[in-house]
Amino acid sequence: DAGVIQSPRHEVTEMGQEVTLRCKPISGHDYLFWYRQTMMRGLELLIYFNNNVPIDDSGMPEDRFSAKMPNASFSTLKIQPSEPRDSAVYFCASSLVSGFSQPQHFGDGTRLSIL
Amino acid sequence: SQKIEQNSEALNIQEGKTATLTCNYTNYSPAYLQWYRQDPGRGPVFLLLIRENEKEKRKERLKVTFDTTLKQSLFHITASQPADSATYLCALDIDSNAGNMLTFGGGTRLMVKP
Repeated sequence: DAGVIQSPRHEVTEMGQEVTLRCKPISGHDYLFWYRQTMMRGLELLIYFNNNVPIDDSGMPEDRFSAKMPNASFSTLKIQPSEPRDSAVYFCASSLVSGFSQPQHFGDGTRLSIL
Repeated sequence: SQKIEQNSEALNIQEGKTATLTCNYTNYSPAYLQWYRQDPGRGPVFLLLIRENEKEKRKERLKVTFDTTLKQSLFHITASQPADSATYLCALDIDSNAGNMLTFGGGTRLMVKP
């Protein structure tokens, strides 16, 4: 079975540009999570969706960040305008909803560098 | 404040020995705790889950303990191999009403030398 698929794997862009990260969750999973990982702050939850509806976006750093999930098989995380401090690895993960304590399945991330 | 602490220093052990990693937390009462493995350039991969009413969980060479009084989980890898070298993350549900939302520790890097 295909796992969580993220694109692009690497993104290098200049400050001020719009960046769009993409995620395809595992088919049948009801939860989708966006994380950011840095050496200083570790793995931080940015936002998560349940059945395509955003449930908690308290981890989104500021208004420059936005996330959407137009259908069960696709989600985007957008940064506009981008800043050098946004440089990090961004992960998408998905999980089942049948009961709590389900494992999360992660993609291999997008390594974002803002120059 | 709420914290999940893992030893940020790398753990170096000899092949064949048992590796023990620690996850401590404060100000939480998690219903369960999960352990993940992360290799360089890859996303975390789920290994084990242990619930608050379970003292110990095993899977092949892996063992996890969960002490809700000490607010601590220990993760053991017996008969360690160089292929076990990776970063290991613990994760807790900090809000049982928040449906499968996890908070991760900073991870401990394990190096197993042949």
